[in-house]
Amino acid sequence: DTAVSQTPKYLVTQMGNDKSIKCEQNLGHDTMYWYKQDSKKFLKIMFSYNNKELIINETVPNRFSPKSPDKAHLNLHINSLELGDSAVYFCASSPQGNTIYFGEGSWLTVV
Amino acid sequence: GDSVTQMEGPVTLSEEAFLTINCTYTATGYPSLFWYVQYPGEGLQLLLKATKADDKGSNKGFEATYRKETTSFHLEKGSVQVSDSAVYFCALSRTSYDKVIFGPGTSLSVIP
Repeated sequence: DTAVSQTPKYLVTQMGNDKSIKCEQNLGHDTMYWYKQDSKKFLKIMFSYNNKELIINETVPNRFSPKSPDKAHLNLHINSLELGDSAVYFCASSPQGNTIYFGEGSWLTVV
Repeated sequence: GDSVTQMEGPVTLSEEAFLTINCTYTATGYPSLFWYVQYPGEGLQLLLKATKADDKGSNKGFEATYRKETTSFHLEKGSVQVSDSAVYFCALSRTSYDKVIFGPGTSLSVIP
């Protein structure tokens, strides 16, 4: 069983479209995250939720909106996609104690 | 603010060579320190961690020691294999709910 699963794995879409990436974890963790990895492999946190409550919201355009319906799910919706949004988006979760468990990533390409 | 600095890559080594990837950090207090590894096309996996000064984390032949006096957490392996080719990320976190801050990553290629 995949611990942190995200879908879709690959997504190619046109500028201006709206898209969502879904994430689920079956580890029973309280905290979930979205990270963005750019083409140079640099990782930047976008959002963090703890028990469905937003606790970290980095400087991210408000076109990006996370939603956590329950503590096992954290979805990412992106409006009006731009070329610069092309990246790999990683969902992750952690229990108390900092260790983060990552999903396999979602490769988003905006054309 | 908190930050992590790693040696620039890419690093290319022959199989069985000794590996060191330098990592230094800036943080207030006593953060936990981590090394994560990312194999091609995959997400990041925790490789090892240390939560207090002088702790040594180890896993799969890799080691790193938390050095408070030099604010460092260098990754070492005595004999690398082709299968160790990946991107390695040093990271820190100050509290259980705080964000984990990653270094820029160091790409390692091991050639037979």
